[in-house]
Amino acid sequence: DQQVKQNSPSLSVQEGRISILNCDYTNSMFDYFLWYKKYPAEGPTFLISISSIKDKNEDGRFTVFLNKSAKHLSLHIVPSQPGDSAVYFCAASRKAAGNKLTFGGGTRVLVKP
Amino acid sequence: NAGVTQTPKFRVLKTGQSMTLLCAQDMNHEYMYWYRQDPGMGLRLIHYSVGEGTTAKGEVPDGYNVSRLKKQNFLLGLESAAPSQTSVYFCASSYSTWGRESNYGYTFGSGTRLTVV
Repeated sequence: DQQVKQNSPSLSVQEGRISILNCDYTNSMFDYFLWYKKYPAEGPTFLISISSIKDKNEDGRFTVFLNKSAKHLSLHIVPSQPGDSAVYFCAASRKAAGNKLTFGGGTRVLVKP
Repeated sequence: NAGVTQTPKFRVLKTGQSMTLLCAQDMNHEYMYWYRQDPGMGLRLIHYSVGEGTTAKGEVPDGYNVSRLKKQNFLLGLESAAPSQTSVYFCASSYSTWGRESNYGYTFGSGTRLTVV
């Protein structure tokens, strides 16, 4: 049973518009959440993270929102750019479990010019 | 500064053959990990190591063995390859402690695409 789920396997958005990626988790012990971006033939690269003590974290065009009661987080990309076309993975971890990450299945984003 | 280097990048094995995937990091990270990526499954942790000479099982350890004889290297072995082990394998390394709003310094290699026929 997947503890972290990304229910939308793909997303298509027009350049300049907002991209919203969603992620749900089932383990209430997770206390740290991360988003990774992955281009073909490359390893995932870190994008943004959020601790469970916060409900929002912003870094430039990227904002992550956390709703602990719903066990849901989302990544907003505004404005979307063609270079944002990639696969995005949501990941979660527990401090007590060290640095192991549990990943969602990924969402493929295509930004159309 | 190379970061995390994986060798080989591609490999085709016949069922029953064995092989070793090598991961090397030059960031003096304490922790190292092996993940596999399969379509729709994201990345799943195979084995990890919290220091030289130590290893532990992750989520999907069956059919794999690991060794970490040196801090900078983490080896993943397949003793008898099976078609179910066809996947893309990623090695990663990180610090042992993490700061606020950081990513533990988690760094991934570029992956090894393994096909077992």
